Amino acid sequence: EDQVTQSPEALRLQEGESSSLNCSYTVSGLRGLFWYRQDPGKGPEFLFTLYSAGEEKEKERLKATLTKKESFLHITAPKPEDSATYLCAVNPYEADSNYQLIWGAGTKLIIKP
Amino acid sequence: KAGVTQTPRYLIKTRGQQVTLSCSPISGHRSVSWYQQTPGQGLQFLFEYFSETQRNKGNFPGRFSGRQFSNSRSEMNVSTLELGDSALYLCASSLADRTANYGYTFGSGTRLTVV
Repeated sequence: EDQVTQSPEALRLQEGESSSLNCSYTVSGLRGLFWYRQDPGKGPEFLFTLYSAGEEKEKERLKATLTKKESFLHITAPKPEDSATYLCAVNPYEADSNYQLIWGAGTKLIIKP
Repeated sequence: KAGVTQTPRYLIKTRGQQVTLSCSPISGHRSVSWYQQTPGQGLQFLFEYFSETQRNKGNFPGRFSGRQFSNSRSEMNVSTLELGDSALYLCASSLADRTANYGYTFGSGTRLTVV
């Protein structure tokens, strides 16, 4: 069964303390993997799309990487405004796919000043 | 450029009532998807519309329905509300019919509370 698992569920860091969030997936094939950020009471905001193992993308203090089994969202020297829930979603490749994403449960990131 | 607009932002309804939520996608986006988000279940896919046709449907009871108009605006309806329907309902639009690989743009959602 296709599945996306994010870890940890929650992560508390001090401002400036770098870390990584994990998104592991089990699918027969991968069309794409997405990272979103969601602030409380708002809809998810698109961050990155990754398509193949070895690919990396960066945006400000965030860098997303992809392997054949998982993706990491690295956050370097985070600031309090980086506090949010980070969601990972996978578009699985299947012959009869309905092209719907499989979502992880998210990692709640809290950055303390 | 206007984003995805959902109305209303907040709604309180009584069990047994019905509710209609509205979504206006980004101009030019023809695909609209609806999601239910709760703390326990995360994001759950409801349905997707493209060019006024429902393309995909998630595992929700028939009380949940939707439609899309010729201008791509979409509505979803929930009949005979239950307490468990309390959630944040999110609408997402996308440029292409093969929605997923282009990513979604989400609205801010409608917070529905059923009492």
